[in-house]
Amino acid sequence: ILNVEQSPQSLHVQEGDSTNFTCSFPSSNFYALHWYRWETAKSPEALFVMTLNGDEKKKGRISATLNTKEGYSYLYIKGSQPEDSATYLCLHGSSNTGKLIFGQGTTLQVKP
Amino acid sequence: SQTIHQWPATLVQPVGSPLSLECTVEGTSNPNLYWYRQAAGRGLQLLFYSVGIGQISSEVPQNLSASRPQDRQFILSSKKLLLSDSGFYLCAWSVRRRSNYGYTFGSGTRLTVV
Repeated sequence: ILNVEQSPQSLHVQEGDSTNFTCSFPSSNFYALHWYRWETAKSPEALFVMTLNGDEKKKGRISATLNTKEGYSYLYIKGSQPEDSATYLCLHGSSNTGKLIFGQGTTLQVKP
Repeated sequence: SQTIHQWPATLVQPVGSPLSLECTVEGTSNPNLYWYRQAAGRGLQLLFYSVGIGQISSEVPQNLSASRPQDRQFILSSKKLLLSDSGFYLCAWSVRRRSNYGYTFGSGTRLTVV
C-alpha cells in the first residue's frame, strides 16, 4: 500500500445496524493514524488518534482498532443512528516526512 | 491552548470580484498551515500548504493563491473569482513534523460566487 485508502467508498445501513469500515495505509514509517467525522459544510471533528500497534479506542458507540504491521485500521459503529450519517476520514502520519495524508473517506448514510 | 480563527463564515461574491479569506492561529508557533476546499458533491481537496513564512506549496492549479505574511496568518486570495470557486473552504493547522497531533480545522467559510 503506497497511499491511504478507505473502503467502502459509501455505505447505506438501517438504524440499529452495526457497521465497520477500513483504512489502509503504508506500514513502513508509521507514526500516527487519526479518524475524523465530517459532515458536509462543517469542520471535521477529530474522533481518535492512535499511535501504537494494537491500539483500541472507544467513544460511545464508535470504536477503532489499529494494526501498524499490516497497515490497516477499522472503525466500528455499534447500533447506527441517523445522526451518525457523515463522512468518516482517516488520516495517516508518516514518521520520516511528518506529512499527513487523508484517505478519500467513507460516506455513511443511516436510514431511520 | 491553541485556537484557530477563520473568517468570514459566509460570503457571496459576484463573478470577477476579488477574494480574501483569512485564517489565524493562536497559542502555537511555527505551525504548518493548510487551505482545503469542498466543492459541491466532492470531498476534501487540499489547495495550499505552508511550512513557514513566505513558503507556499500549491497542490492543484487553480484561480486561487495563498500567502503567509506572518507565522500564524494564512490568507487565501483571488484576483477574479469564477463560478467554479464556489464551495466550502477550510483552514487547518498542524504541529510541524508531529503526525500524532493531526489537523485542527477552522470553522469554515461558505463561498458562493454568483
